[in-house]
Amino acid sequence: GENVEQHPSTLSVQEGDSAVIKCTYSDSASNYFPWYKQELGKGPQLIIDIRSNVGEKKDQRIAVTLNKTAKHFSLHITETQPEDSAVYFCAASKPPGSARQLTFGSGTQLTVLP
Amino acid sequence: DSGVTQTPKHLITATGQRVTLRCSPRSGDLSVYWYQQSLDQGLQFLIQYYNGEERAKGNILERFSAQQFPDLHSELNLSSLELGDSALYFCASGESSGNTIYFGEGSWLTVV
Repeated sequence: GENVEQHPSTLSVQEGDSAVIKCTYSDSASNYFPWYKQELGKGPQLIIDIRSNVGEKKDQRIAVTLNKTAKHFSLHITETQPEDSAVYFCAASKPPGSARQLTFGSGTQLTVLP
Repeated sequence: DSGVTQTPKHLITATGQRVTLRCSPRSGDLSVYWYQQSLDQGLQFLIQYYNGEERAKGNILERFSAQQFPDLHSELNLSSLELGDSALYFCASGESSGNTIYFGEGSWLTVV
């Protein structure tokens, strides 16, 4: 089955700096890669996603890049703010029609220091 | 608000007992997923239902079972509870034609 590895497990940055979280996946059939943000005591919230026919996607201060050849994808947060502090999860999924459950990475605790 | 509703939010029960967690998916979503989140295991996929039928099974223990009803709400039944079953249990729902899934706020289960 799919295996998703996520690094780093913890990340501290100064407010205003950028943060980068990296994930690798094992199954070349995976074609959908979402990122979730989980705040304390809440459920994971989808913040951005990318499909394998796209190399990069941006949404304001958040961007995701995908390298299908190397089977890795990354989350980039620019101009970090204290409210960005949370646990971030990457995930990978196969095309619709198969069992489309997401396989999650182990999470990154991001702390933005004021 | 994701539109996925889970009850109860918190539950404390004793070892050996049985509990039922309930999930109402987003309007129009046919797929329901259950995930377990514990401190050392991250988000673990348990089971998926699609329009009332089991679609995929992950690391779900035999003591656990789930079902999806005709109105598309789902229940996760946990029996013969052990201390190690203490965790956050998330329900998520998704569109029939896409990959995107949306999570509820979770049910926090504590087994004492």
